[in-house]
Amino acid sequence: DADVTQTPRNRITKTGKRIMLECSQTKGHDRMYWYRQDPGLGLRLIYYSFDVKDINKGEISDGYSVSRQAQAKFSLSLESAIPNQTALYFCATRSGGETEAFFGQGTRLTVV
Amino acid sequence: LAKTTQPISMDSYEGQEVNITCSHNNIATNDYITWYQQFPSQGPRFIIQGYKTKVTNEVASLFIPADRKSSTLSLPRVSLSDTAVYYCLVGDIWGDDKIIFGKGTRLHILP
Repeated sequence: DADVTQTPRNRITKTGKRIMLECSQTKGHDRMYWYRQDPGLGLRLIYYSFDVKDINKGEISDGYSVSRQAQAKFSLSLESAIPNQTALYFCATRSGGETEAFFGQGTRLTVV
Repeated sequence: LAKTTQPISMDSYEGQEVNITCSHNNIATNDYITWYQQFPSQGPRFIIQGYKTKVTNEVASLFIPADRKSSTLSLPRVSLSDTAVYYCLVGDIWGDDKIIFGKGTRLHILP
């Protein structure tokens, strides 16, 4: 089983719909991250969380919200999806004091 | 967070040594240098990390000069499977909660 699991792996949704992407980890890490990646571009940080009581905006948080339900779970929500949110979304985890982050397999989201 | 600059793309041939240089002129005293590798449609994977001088592991070497304003990732005897995007990141592993990626270097290995 993967250490960082994202669900769903692929999703097609309609403009205006609310959608949630989920991430769970078994590594016991305190820090969790959500990124989006557009074709040919690097990763951009959406939100990150130090622990269940700490949520921080990243580079591109507008149009997104997150929930850290437990240390092992970090969900990303698109309140009202729009086509330019079509992208590949990655969740990552890291332990404080370590630079190595571990990424999930990604969720390919298409908004039509 | 220190800004990094790396070449957008590079080509090389199988069996060659590839060196990718990253510039980070405003690196801070507590910052470490980390490199990640990303294959298409996969999440990035940690390759190597260093603070100064040279670090080597089974995958790559990382060379950091005394002023730490740049670093070079060295991939020995590359193969087609090394075709990927390589990201250089600089940050304080204790103080920074954020992990910010740049656009990376797209390495294309030719047969």
